[in-house]
Amino acid sequence: SQQGEEDPQALSIQEGENATMNCSYKTSINNLQWYRQNSGRGLVHLILIRSNEREKHSGRLRVTLDTSKKSSSLLITASRAADTASYFCATENSGGSNYKLTFGKGTLLTVNP
Amino acid sequence: GAVVSQHPSRVICKSGTSVKIECRSLDFQATTMFWYRQFPKQSLMLMATSNEGSKATYEQGVEKDKFLINHASLTLSTLTVTSAHPEDSSFYICSASGGARETQYFGPGTRLLVL
Repeated sequence: SQQGEEDPQALSIQEGENATMNCSYKTSINNLQWYRQNSGRGLVHLILIRSNEREKHSGRLRVTLDTSKKSSSLLITASRAADTASYFCATENSGGSNYKLTFGKGTLLTVNP
Repeated sequence: GAVVSQHPSRVICKSGTSVKIECRSLDFQATTMFWYRQFPKQSLMLMATSNEGSKATYEQGVEKDKFLINHASLTLSTLTVTSAHPEDSSFYICSASGGARETQYFGPGTRLLVL
């Protein structure tokens, strides 16, 4: 079953604007990760935030994690056309072995030039 | 960063044939590899987890006799889709990690089309 649920499912913005995507999950986690996937391609790891962290930055990316609400957000600032892709959150659930990731359904981001 | 390759990138086969997909970690030793499948416009669904030198652990609902996984070395895992049918057509993605609590690095995926 799907652990992470992203919203919105699709987001269309103009270049230069900020894009915010949200992710909710249901069980306890060790960490939450965000990935990017260009159409028909593999996944690129963007950022990992641990369960004891609340916010993390990497370049134009800002991720927040609220474990009390079981939710995370990914903010991309000053978006570019090249940011057009699908973005997935994935949770590594606590208590299991092999450190499996459970992916959400993803948000399709379109940045219009 | 760590590089994971997959081969082939795409394959078309006839129904009833078997297809082997390779996943290689090019610059690190992958003690654990994961196999996912992704249908169009959907998320990745974990199929199985394989640890080098041991049998793969399959997720609920995934037929182990249909999706054979071999992880014979620290740099190579293979997924064989046996007696493929059109419903097996999908995008298959592997990932590799260097050990417990390590980031998973994803391959570029293999698109399988079964006619």
